[in-house]
Amino acid sequence: GQQLNQSPQSMFIQEGEDVSMNCTSSSIFNTWLWYKQDPGEGPVLLIALYKAGELTSNGRLTAQFGITRKDSFLNISASIPSDVGIYFCAGQGVHSSASKIIFGSGTRLSIRP
Amino acid sequence: DAGVIQSPRHEVTEMGQEVTLRCKPISGHNSLFWYRQTMMRGLELLIYFNNNVPIDDSGMPEDRFSAKMPNASFSTLKIQPSEPRDSAVYFCASIRRNNDYGYTFGSGTRLTVV
Repeated sequence: GQQLNQSPQSMFIQEGEDVSMNCTSSSIFNTWLWYKQDPGEGPVLLIALYKAGELTSNGRLTAQFGITRKDSFLNISASIPSDVGIYFCAGQGVHSSASKIIFGSGTRLSIRP
Repeated sequence: DAGVIQSPRHEVTEMGQEVTLRCKPISGHNSLFWYRQTMMRGLELLIYFNNNVPIDDSGMPEDRFSAKMPNASFSTLKIQPSEPRDSAVYFCASIRRNNDYGYTFGSGTRLTVV
């Protein structure tokens, strides 16, 4: 079945640093999504991408839908303590039922004290 | 907007007992999803409904799991009998309209089966 490979699995950064994470698949996706999950809560949608090559920003977050439609990245600029959490990529494959998406395994972001 | 409401937040039960998890989607959302999250397997889609009708239940682990959506404002996920390997966080999510991928998740139910 379709799988999303998300990397890195975890990152430790200094406050103020920029962060980059990505998601790849051997399958083509129609839609790429990025979510963030805080402890004890459900994931919250950060950015949605609908077209190959699309570059979208949401404040300090920027995400791109890869031209091959098999990858996506998320960048966070000038990280702050509230950026800590787990970031998930998610996508809807070309052969998936409408509205059904699958999730990557997540990138856990921590900030060094 | 109260968001997606799940209950209970935490459930501890003994192996073999029946467990029922509940979800109230956002009013006006017409699709509802049940996910299970574990460290080993991440977020797994169990089943989803469009307009109260189950569309895809291929992710339901086995016959011990069942889900219903009797109306647009309520869904249940039942496990009977429960087993320790069912311990996980179960999330419910809903979306505003067909083909809108901006899922709104509930806060989840942490299930522990001892």
